[in-house]
Amino acid sequence: ILNVEQSPQSLHVQEGDSTNFTCSFPSSNFYALHWYRWETAKSPEALFVMTLNGDEKKKGRISATLNTKEGYSYLYIKGSQPEDSATYLCASSGAQKLVFGQGTRLTINP
Amino acid sequence: SAVISQKPSRDICQRGTSLTIQCQVDSQVTMMFWYRQQPGQSLTLIATANQGSEATYESGFVIDKFPISRPNLTFSTLTVSNMSPEDSSIYLCSSFGLAVSYNEQFFGPGTRLTVL
Repeated sequence: ILNVEQSPQSLHVQEGDSTNFTCSFPSSNFYALHWYRWETAKSPEALFVMTLNGDEKKKGRISATLNTKEGYSYLYIKGSQPEDSATYLCASSGAQKLVFGQGTRLTINP
Repeated sequence: SAVISQKPSRDICQRGTSLTIQCQVDSQVTMMFWYRQQPGQSLTLIATANQGSEATYESGFVIDKFPISRPNLTFSTLTVSNMSPEDSSIYLCSSFGLAVSYNEQFFGPGTRLTVL
């Protein structure tokens, strides 16, 4: 994998359901993996920065895991709420630069 | 974290004109970054703006098209010159926080540009 790739590109989830999506990144020369949440007309909000293989981070109902050997990260949202509707971006960093995926656009249906 | 504001928040411009986007950070930062996101594409780094030196542009971006100013440690501007509809994008500026940690960046709310 040469680029950072996210899947799916968009997702519709019923309120209360749990969901997850994927970020794939180059495993060579890995430094850190970032997750951001980006709501329309707002600044992208940093959710997690992960560096170690096997890392797991949690913030409320949102959690993320990291596999640096195979080059992927999962973001999980438990019990989705309407306020979770946003675009979720992942980025791989190195040499002071972030390389972003295209994002997963999440819509929570009430 | 750093608090970053941008002006304008959105604009609709005519082909061939130029637009200057302003970015203000609430603390002094060494490096500021300019990104764009074209429809359906990734956030892509345009250039890194350092105070006291010329901006460093990424492959595919040139100073004539995207001139950048960095007059002090809290402010930067990006100009989108001689615009075409392909320049319709969201433009964001960002910087590191006061304590740089794993290159974590903080972003402004973006400028949504539509070129007719």
